[in-house]
Amino acid sequence: GAVVSQHPSRVICKSGTSVKIECRSLDFQATTMFWYRQFPKQSLMLMATSNEGSKATYEQGVEKDKFLINHASLTLSTLTVTSAHPEDSSFYICSAETSGGVLMTETQYFGPGTRLLVL
Amino acid sequence: DAKTTQPPSMDCAEGRAANLPCNHSTISGNEYVYWYRQIHSQGPQYIIHGLKNNETNEMASLIITEDRKSSTLILPHATLRDTAVYYCIVRGGSNYKLTFGKGTLLTVNP
Repeated sequence: GAVVSQHPSRVICKSGTSVKIECRSLDFQATTMFWYRQFPKQSLMLMATSNEGSKATYEQGVEKDKFLINHASLTLSTLTVTSAHPEDSSFYICSAETSGGVLMTETQYFGPGTRLLVL
Repeated sequence: DAKTTQPPSMDCAEGRAANLPCNHSTISGNEYVYWYRQIHSQGPQYIIHGLKNNETNEMASLIITEDRKSSTLILPHATLRDTAVYYCIVRGGSNYKLTFGKGTLLTVNP
């Protein structure tokens, strides 16, 4: 299957600082990338959908000014958590697919996740 | 959007087949059934998906009932490394998103 990487795998930062997480599709071009968040003992929650070269679409309740998403190329999307606070501590996971959801046989492949701890 | 119902947990003996059920009684004609699994502290791993025919790959088999209202994921020879939360997700039509429920925690015992 296709490989998606994330960097860093874990990060600790101070409250009020910004953190950038990278998501890369290593062996395919991703028209669409998705960002999820997962709190302990809970399931994944979709935060936003990003298409290459256009603005991200955020899910209800997700602050677009706090979680900045850039999908500048077909192999890279970044999520920046701005002015991070302890409640932003979570497991952030990205996924990527090629068809932009047009083909329902298309498969989303997930990265290994980034664990963020805000002190 | 079609929703799915899965048992919260299941146990399986190592080397035996693991059969994980999923109900999706409101599935529509153009929606697919996807299965992912998540091993602790990792990103979800794609397993298999299907529309109406049974599917098999190197990881598992997917059996979809004729009325498509339910399906079963079969891991033919479970190993300890198959211990994970398994998610059954319906996706298709205008719904391009993967909506994760609580899944089934499969514990494979030695």
